[in-house]
Amino acid sequence: GQNIDQPTEMTATEGAIVQINCTYQTSGFNGLFWYQQHAGEAPTFLSYNVLDGLEEKGRFSSFLSRSKGYSYLLLKELQMKDSASYLCALMDSNYQLIWGAGTKLIIKP
Amino acid sequence: ETGVTQTPRHLVMGMTNKKSLKCEQHLGHNAMYWYKQSAKKPLELMFVYSLEERVENNSVPSRFSPECPNSSHLFLHLHTLQPEDSALYLCASSQGLAGGPPTDTQYFGPGTRLTVL
Repeated sequence: GQNIDQPTEMTATEGAIVQINCTYQTSGFNGLFWYQQHAGEAPTFLSYNVLDGLEEKGRFSSFLSRSKGYSYLLLKELQMKDSASYLCALMDSNYQLIWGAGTKLIIKP
Repeated sequence: ETGVTQTPRHLVMGMTNKKSLKCEQHLGHNAMYWYKQSAKKPLELMFVYSLEERVENNSVPSRFSPECPNSSHLFLHLHTLQPEDSALYLCASSQGLAGGPPTDTQYFGPGTRLTVL
């Protein structure tokens, strides 16, 4: 079967760094996505990893280890506007997205 | 209008009502999706259309009926819903591959917040 786990909620301080982890089990893999979703708004695409390693995009970076079934989203220089839910999703062998329940990130001044 | 739009943004309906949700994408994409998002639960994929053909129907109850008249528009027709159907219904689109599975980044609309009384 397929399963995705990510923490339900995390708290961090403005200006700091936070790492949101995502672990998964799947029989087929066609990449892993991270999305950001502010309350009451649409999920917006952040990153896509299909090969092992770190992808950096400004203040946000995403890492993938396929052998460990593990990904993380790293947010640097946190801003209050980064308060949101962060959704991890893997694309399985049928090209369907399997979603995690999301991590609610709370940024404190 | 740009991106993916959805109407209405909020909908309250009784269990005997019939209503429709509308989604329109202005991105020139070939694939469109309906998702259900309930509080603290993962997004649930309901339907996938690729080039106006339904390619996925994830065991969704028949009280939800999708319609894709063209590659830019997607509807979700609702009838005799249950209170547990109350959720945020999200539409998404992706470029897709002509004749193949949609494998690429999905772009979401703002959703319709549905409440069933």
